Amino acid sequence: GAVVSQHPSRVICKSGTSVKIECRSLDFQATTMFWYRQFPKQSLMLMATSNEGSKATYEQGVEKDKFLINHASLTLSTLTVTSAHPEDSSFYICSAQGEMDYEQYFGPGTRLTVT
Amino acid sequence: AQSVTQLDSQVPVFEEAPVELRCNYSSSVSVYLFWYVQYPNQGLQLLLKYLSGSTLVKGINGFEAEFNKSQTSFHLRKPSVHISDTAEYFCAVSAVGSYIPTFGRGTSLIVHP
Repeated sequence: GAVVSQHPSRVICKSGTSVKIECRSLDFQATTMFWYRQFPKQSLMLMATSNEGSKATYEQGVEKDKFLINHASLTLSTLTVTSAHPEDSSFYICSAQGEMDYEQYFGPGTRLTVT
Repeated sequence: AQSVTQLDSQVPVFEEAPVELRCNYSSSVSVYLFWYVQYPNQGLQLLLKYLSGSTLVKGINGFEAEFNKSQTSFHLRKPSVHISDTAEYFCAVSAVGSYIPTFGRGTSLIVHP
């Protein structure tokens, strides 16, 4: 089946620094990838849709200058949390859309802790 | 726009007992419906999906769900649960033609020995 990886799985950073999270589709090409944020005991909230070679589309209320998304190739999308603050601490999950079935395949998630 | 209501935040059950996790949705257009499972500190795994056709959908790990259009429901069932089924379960809906789902708040299934 389609596999999506994320790196790192966990990251702790100091307030004010930036953190980059990678999302890769390992055995298929993904024109479209999605980034979600999940708070403890809550559902997934779509942050943005990332299309290869073009600017990401952000959901209402998501700061595009704070959450930078780059989809440079058909197998890689990155999310950079800039000038992180403790309130950015969360579980970030990416998904990649299959070319043939359009199904979303989810990565294992990245737990970000900002101290 | 679509929305999903998962009526139970937590469902405790004993091993080998049957379980039903409830899901209701709201939409002004035709929908696709999904159930995902999330194990601790992991991403989501698709259990099953309804796109069209038979309203009874069978998924992985012995789970099944039934689409009831009149009741706008898509409840998830398993006749006999295992300890390993302990996880968070998310119901999701998208408009037909869109594969970007809107998720419910999740139901925590806790299977006791």
